[in-house]
Amino acid sequence: DTEVTQTPKHLVMGMTNKKSLKCEQHMGHRAMYWYKQKAKKPPELMFVYSYEKLSINESVPSRFSPECPNSSLLNLHLHALQPEDSALYLCASSQDPGGSSYEQYFGPGTRLTVT
Amino acid sequence: GENVEQHPSTLSVQEGDSAVIKCTYSDSASNYFPWYKQELGKGPQLIIDIRSNVGEKKDQRIAVTLNKTAKHFSLHITETQPEDSAVYFCAASIRDDMRFGAGTRLTVKP
Repeated sequence: DTEVTQTPKHLVMGMTNKKSLKCEQHMGHRAMYWYKQKAKKPPELMFVYSYEKLSINESVPSRFSPECPNSSLLNLHLHALQPEDSALYLCASSQDPGGSSYEQYFGPGTRLTVT
Repeated sequence: GENVEQHPSTLSVQEGDSAVIKCTYSDSASNYFPWYKQELGKGPQLIIDIRSNVGEKKDQRIAVTLNKTAKHFSLHITETQPEDSAVYFCAASIRDDMRFGAGTRLTVKP
């Protein structure tokens, strides 16, 4: 089973709201990722957690705040977003960030609209 | 950082024909090259991958080739079917840092 689940599927929020995106996997993977995908563009890496520690932050604005409470869960906290932050937010996981298995498995994404 | 270029951006083929998508990468340290298929409203789905110590890999109608010297890798789909229609992304990865190509929209006409 290579399932990564994400909630909610759709989210509409105002620029003053605070919301969170959630991601979960039960494959025993030890790396988890957040990507942002604009329409007709490829996914862009935002954050990487390896063994529950933030290992890559691609200079993402502080209005996006990631959190990895445990090895199965990944959150993305959103605050004071801008309309240009509207996008599909994808979560992914991979087995062993320090080893040789790099396959990343993606969830279905959360479609975020900022009004 | 890694830069991945992908061509063509759109590809239209007749059912049963073959489709080829090509990518180049810039960082010689990249050692893992996956291909993803993304259908409308869905997340990317891993369809095949290749590591830097292998030149070719095949899985039924799908094959990937890698030329490390030239920093090229390609996806080959044979006997295309309408359900192969989707956006395909190549990617190049160093450990957990993966960068995608711009994508190819493949349309298979019945």
